[in-house]
Amino acid sequence: GQQLNQSPQSMFIQEGEDVSMNCTSSSIFNTWLWYKQDPGEGPVLLIALYKAGELTSNGRLTAQFGITRKDSFLNISASIPSDVGIYFCAGRLTSGTYKYIFGTGTRLKVLA
Amino acid sequence: GAGVSQSPSNKVTEKGKDVELRCDPISGHTALYWYRQSLGQGLEFLIYFQGNSAPDKSGLPSDRFSAERTGGSVSTLTIQRTQQEDSAVYLCASSAGLGSGGKDTEAFFGQGTRLTVV
Repeated sequence: GQQLNQSPQSMFIQEGEDVSMNCTSSSIFNTWLWYKQDPGEGPVLLIALYKAGELTSNGRLTAQFGITRKDSFLNISASIPSDVGIYFCAGRLTSGTYKYIFGTGTRLKVLA
Repeated sequence: GAGVSQSPSNKVTEKGKDVELRCDPISGHTALYWYRQSLGQGLEFLIYFQGNSAPDKSGLPSDRFSAERTGGSVSTLTIQRTQQEDSAVYLCASSAGLGSGGKDTEAFFGQGTRLTVV
């Protein structure tokens, strides 16, 4: 099925470091959502973005809706061990369908 | 309910049998989505429902897959004549509405049903 390009695919970082991941597409989106998924659980919504250029924070997390409406990034500052998990972006196309298309995921591992 | 509820949480079935997976969306949510997640993979869209509109079935992988939503609330995903490649986690999500954007489009997921076909 259709998926967004998400990078990096995985990353190991030291506790306290900042993390950045992004999603890109050739399509234009009107909504971007960022999720975190722990093993055996469903994805949990972290941040929602609705307008091009929008920058939104949720604690140590910051996400931006790209100005071209084709990309988005998520930053995690001062990572902690519980940030471990898989992060997914999801975008909703501007017309024709209301389904969300998901990125391939970024697997984050934090080394204490 | 407080969140999206899915049942069963785990299902093991024999190849060739039919299975039904259930999703109870958040109370009052009019949009409901089904996704499939294979091991170590991202989420693959299957189908969504919005109110009384015709569902978008464009993601269903074969005619063995079907879904219905009764009374605009509970949804059932049915897989007939299951195959081993159907083994995956099936996730359901709901949102308050669809609209043109905004908080009512935020999708919240259940815990998923892990289906294993042996």
